[in-house]
Amino acid sequence: NAGVTQTPKFQVLKTGQSMTLQCAQDMNHNSMYWYRQDPGMGLRLIYYSASEGTTDKGEVPNGYNVSRLNKREFSLRLESAAPSQTSVYFCASSDQGAMNTEAFFGQGTRLTVV
Amino acid sequence: EDQVTQSPEALRLQEGESSSLNCSYTVSGLRGLFWYRQDPGKGPEFLFTLYSAGEEKEKERLKATLTKKESFLHITAPKPEDSATYLCAVRAAAGNKLTFGGGTRVLVKP
Repeated sequence: NAGVTQTPKFQVLKTGQSMTLQCAQDMNHNSMYWYRQDPGMGLRLIYYSASEGTTDKGEVPNGYNVSRLNKREFSLRLESAAPSQTSVYFCASSDQGAMNTEAFFGQGTRLTVV
Repeated sequence: EDQVTQSPEALRLQEGESSSLNCSYTVSGLRGLFWYRQDPGKGPEFLFTLYSAGEEKEKERLKATLTKKESFLHITAPKPEDSATYLCAVRAAAGNKLTFGGGTRVLVKP
């Protein structure tokens, strides 16, 4: 099983450029999440989607937009990248209706904005 | 607002030297407390879920316990391959957000 797949793995952007981070899961999970991880800050939630067709802001949504394209795919868009968005981005998914609601993570996208 | 605090931030152990990691939390109705392991350059890997005070889970040299205010991850006779960052997270009864602590970096020297 592939689990959660993120693309790309690495990206360098210039300030002001835009890009979309892609995430797909093959576990038929209802909920999907985007986190960013910075040194000393732990994982912080950017946006999440409890189910297909819904999205909600997390702790640090400014500068980002998301699209829940279908049940499998959840993308994160940076419209105008800033150096403060240099981070490692993780996508995750979980099954909200199940007894075990742990989240499964992708391998991350390391983004540098110069 | 849900909060998770992990301590210590870093832990250096000799191989075989047992120790414990702490995760203190405040949450409006705990739906689950999760422990993850994260290796450098990788995504977090799920270890345990704990649902109620008094619950314990074990996996190899790791044992997780839960009280009403905190969770402990005990590492018994650690080996160098146990070196990683250990993350704790909570999910509240209402809502779908998973809130993480800052993690504890564990280094086990041979």
